[in-house]
Amino acid sequence: GAVVSQHPSWVICKSGTSVKIECRSLDFQATTMFWYRQFPKQSLMLMATSNEGSKATYEQGVEKDKFLINHASLTLSTLTVTSAHPEDSSFYICSARGVGPHEQYFGPGTRLTVT
Amino acid sequence: KQEVTQIPAALSVPEGENLVLNCSFTDSAIYNLQWFRQDPGKGLTSLLLIQSSQREQTSGRLNASLDKSSGRSTLYIAASQPGDSATYLCAVHSSYSSNTGKLIFGQGTTLQVKP
Repeated sequence: GAVVSQHPSWVICKSGTSVKIECRSLDFQATTMFWYRQFPKQSLMLMATSNEGSKATYEQGVEKDKFLINHASLTLSTLTVTSAHPEDSSFYICSARGVGPHEQYFGPGTRLTVT
Repeated sequence: KQEVTQIPAALSVPEGENLVLNCSFTDSAIYNLQWFRQDPGKGLTSLLLIQSSQREQTSGRLNASLDKSSGRSTLYIAASQPGDSATYLCAVHSSYSSNTGKLIFGQGTTLQVKP
């Protein structure tokens, strides 16, 4: 099946710094990638949808300037959390969708802890 | 606005028991519905995807059904094993967002299978 990777798998950073998370589709071209965040014992909340070569579409309530998303190629999307604060600590998961199928394939997630 | 609800929130059963997880959605205009499994601190693994025109899908000991008119889906797990212990998430792909691929997730059911 299709494989999606994320890097890093976990990161600890200091408040005020920026963190970049990568999402890669390893064996297929992802026309669309999605970024979710998940708080402990809660479900996934969609943050934004990114299409290769165009600006990301953010969900209501998600700060565009704080969560920068770049989808520069058909296999890579990045999420940068700028000026991170402790409340940004969460589990960030990306997913990718290919050209044909409508099934989404999820990455293993990145645990972000802001101290 | 589509809302997805999963009942129960948590379930504990002895090994070998057959069990049913429930998912309900408020808007029957769906494109497809997916069931996922999530282990603690991990990403999502897709279990079954049911297209809106289908009534059920089977994979091994898993069987998922879909009743669009009543806004319900069930995930049936036969002969449960301790390795089935995880959180099971239901996600709906709305017809209104069939191009975007946006998924709306339920809160999940955390299953514990005791040996």
